Amino acid sequence: DAGVIQSPRHEVTEMGQEVTLRCKPISGHDYLFWYRQTMMRGLELLIYFNNNVPIDDSGMPEDRFSAKMPNASFSTLKIQPSEPRDSAVYFCASTARWGANSNQPQHFGDGTRLSIL
Amino acid sequence: AQKVTQAQTEISVVEKEDVTLDCVYETRDTTYYLFWYKQPPSGELVFLIRRNSFDEQNEISGRYSWNFQKSTSSFNFTITASQVVDSAVYFCALRLGNNNDMRFGAGTRLTVKP
Repeated sequence: DAGVIQSPRHEVTEMGQEVTLRCKPISGHDYLFWYRQTMMRGLELLIYFNNNVPIDDSGMPEDRFSAKMPNASFSTLKIQPSEPRDSAVYFCASTARWGANSNQPQHFGDGTRLSIL
Repeated sequence: AQKVTQAQTEISVVEKEDVTLDCVYETRDTTYYLFWYKQPPSGELVFLIRRNSFDEQNEISGRYSWNFQKSTSSFNFTITASQVVDSAVYFCALRLGNNNDMRFGAGTRLTVKP
């Protein structure tokens, strides 16, 4: 079975440009998560979806960040306009169950390494 | 509040040595789940194991073993006869039973030298 697929693997762009990160979750997984990893803050949850609906976006740093999940097999994380401090590795993860008392692990994609110049 | 502490920032061993990565967690909940993930140099995050708070049985998988002790709030990870391919950053994570938030530790960077 294919795992979580993220694209692109690397993105280098100039400050002020719009950046779009893409994610395809594992088929059948109803929960999708976006994380950001930096040296200073480690792994941080940005937002997660259940059945394509955003459930908790309290981790989204500011209005420049937005995420969508138009269908069960695709999600995007967009940064507009991008800033150098947004440079990080962005991970997408999915899991089949995440409700109360579910012990299912999250399965992560390979990540997108984003560099904003 | 929930918190995960991985006090060892970096560990370096020589191949074939045994190594233990420490993980200490904090929670007042009685139902929770613990996880270990591996992040090799290529960058992906690989799920290794999960443990439920009501199952203190230790687990062994090949050269990997996990020691879960609720009395000390620890979920330590031991690699026996380490290999160069074990070089990675290892993350311990905690999730409460009634909470959708998963907290990751800061990670331990393990370097296994030939």
